[in-house]
Amino acid sequence: DAGITQSPRYKITETGRQVTLMCHQTWSHSYMFWYRQDLGHGLRLIYYSAAADITDKGEVPDGYVVSRSKTENFPLTLESATRSQTSVYFCASSEFLAGAQETQYFGPGTRLLVL
Amino acid sequence: GESVGLHLPTLSVQEGDNSIINCAYSNSASDYFIWYKQESGKGPQFIIDIRSNMDKRQGQRVTVLLNKTVKHLSLQIAATQPGDSAVYFCAENIGNQGGKLIFGQGTELSVKP
Repeated sequence: DAGITQSPRYKITETGRQVTLMCHQTWSHSYMFWYRQDLGHGLRLIYYSAAADITDKGEVPDGYVVSRSKTENFPLTLESATRSQTSVYFCASSEFLAGAQETQYFGPGTRLLVL
Repeated sequence: GESVGLHLPTLSVQEGDNSIINCAYSNSASDYFIWYKQESGKGPQFIIDIRSNMDKRQGQRVTVLLNKTVKHLSLQIAATQPGDSAVYFCAENIGNQGGKLIFGQGTELSVKP
């Protein structure tokens, strides 16, 4: 099954450019998440969404924008890329069933290099 | 504060031996815990989870133990294989924070043939 996919898998951009990372899941999960992973910091939550049109900030939201017009898509936009945003970005999704949070499943990641 | 940490950043084991990876958490409100495996160049992969109403859960070659008294979580891998070499993360979900997970820094497991 397709599960959760991310595109592009690799991206090189320049400082100041706008970049959008795409995330798509086929499970109809309510929750979706964006993380960045850097050496020495582990996985840090950027933004998350509990449902379509509901988003909230995570630990490191500055410089990023998200939207969720459809349940299956959760794009992450870097409005004006900076070198400090060079990282590996992971999208994840999960469900909330019977009053309990379920496991988050991760996509394969997008490696972003900002020159 | 809220934190999930790992006792050992690296662990090297012989093929066939059992591996134990430890994790400490600090928030007593956490009610759900997950272990992930991450191989180089890939996203974290779910291994096993446990809820706070359980002390132990077993999967295929893996067991997770939860000690709520000392806020400690461990992952046991039986008969470790070279394919188990990866970074392992524990994560906790704090019950009233809408599904967000707090991740530990990770332990790198290296399996020697």
